[in-house]
Amino acid sequence: DAEITQSPRHKITETGRQVTLACHQTWNHNNMFWYRQDLGHGLRLIHYSYGVQDTNKGEVSDGYSVSRSNTEDLPLTLESAASSQTSVYFCASSDRGPDEQYFGPGTRLTVT
Amino acid sequence: GIQVEQSPPDLILQEGANSTLRCNFSDSVNNLQWFHQNPWGQLINLFYIPSGTKQNGRLSATTVATERYSLLYISSSQTTDSGVYFCAVVRNTNAGKSTFGDGTTLTVKP
Repeated sequence: DAEITQSPRHKITETGRQVTLACHQTWNHNNMFWYRQDLGHGLRLIHYSYGVQDTNKGEVSDGYSVSRSNTEDLPLTLESAASSQTSVYFCASSDRGPDEQYFGPGTRLTVT
Repeated sequence: GIQVEQSPPDLILQEGANSTLRCNFSDSVNNLQWFHQNPWGQLINLFYIPSGTKQNGRLSATTVATERYSLLYISSSQTTDSGVYFCAVVRNTNAGKSTFGDGTTLTVKP
């Protein structure tokens, strides 16, 4: 069955370190998204991609970057982790047209 | 950007009761999804419903796009329905990018 996976599921890192969160989907979807969810809130869009070599900033992109070298993967990099980036991170994918999004299981990141 | 408001923010029900959750949005949308986030944090697709009415078992949803709202109905609630219900919309001009509401936290008591 097609799916979307994230790794690691939990990560603790120190302020100032570079961190990369992985997202892999086997739906063959063109669109991929990264969101963060903070306690008591909905999801906010960090970055998104409509296809290979395409990346775009979302509403909370400062301090994050992404790259899209193939259809299946969209890794999210925190260049220099800050305590304000402690959050749960969700990756999602969708196909062109219907825009119905499917979410991964999430990565809980703690920056100490 | 588009505003998405969900109500009520919190809801406590006795098992077997029915409930209606509401999602209002401030602009025209291409699509609308309802999600259930279970106590383990997993986001589960409930409905993809840019307009009209859909039903899936005890759950149903209605979106009236011209009036900019959607309703999620839960009938004969069960304790496993507990969690947070999110509405997410995509504006006509923002292909694929969802804006989420803050959710309704539902607690179903046995």
